[in-house]
Amino acid sequence: AQTVTQSQPEMSVQEAETVTLSCTYDTSESDYYLFWYKQPPSRQMILVIRQEAYKQQNATENRFSVNFQKAAKSFSLKISDSQLGDAAMYFCAYRSAGGADGLTFGKGTHLIIQP
Amino acid sequence: DTAVSQTPKYLVTQMGNDKSIKCEQNLGHDTMYWYKQDSKKFLKIMFSYNNKELIINETVPNRFSPKSPDKAHLNLHINSLELGDSAVYFCASSHWTASYEQYFGPGTRLTVT
Repeated sequence: AQTVTQSQPEMSVQEAETVTLSCTYDTSESDYYLFWYKQPPSRQMILVIRQEAYKQQNATENRFSVNFQKAAKSFSLKISDSQLGDAAMYFCAYRSAGGADGLTFGKGTHLIIQP
Repeated sequence: DTAVSQTPKYLVTQMGNDKSIKCEQNLGHDTMYWYKQDSKKFLKIMFSYNNKELIINETVPNRFSPKSPDKAHLNLHINSLELGDSAVYFCASSHWTASYEQYFGPGTRLTVT
């Protein structure tokens, strides 16, 4: 079974600074997807960024980028120019490549933005 | 337009009752899921359905019974509710062929007293 570990229960960053959230995972599969989801106080689950394991290039979405290290099974999220609206729980998630598998989530990191 | 909707958003009920949560998606997806988020915010897959057929049934008490009347709907019925069932339940959907991308509903907060 796959596992996802987020070792930082809480992180704090000054507005406009950069913060990196850590995620490691364990799997024996070679083809899979990794995600970062954001959950603000509204509790809506919002997809931030996606990475396909077969792609070597790190995914980027505006101020959000990942550092995907497949051999190390590491998938960190970097948020640049942090904004107050980035305050939320961030979940790292894993999904096998085939079928209707659900997402396996980490326990989440609570990100606080200091004004 | 709401892509994945759930009703109700909040549900407060007493132990022993039976309740249902409804989920509908208007994205044309053929795969739907139920997740449970506990009080510590941990999210875990409960069920997945593809074309109205059960694909995944994680270790969930048989008091939980999903029902999919058509591809656009996946309802969750819970019998004999227990205090430990209190949680937020999320519905999600995706295409089978592009099922890496799942779209989540707004969640239903269930409180059992």
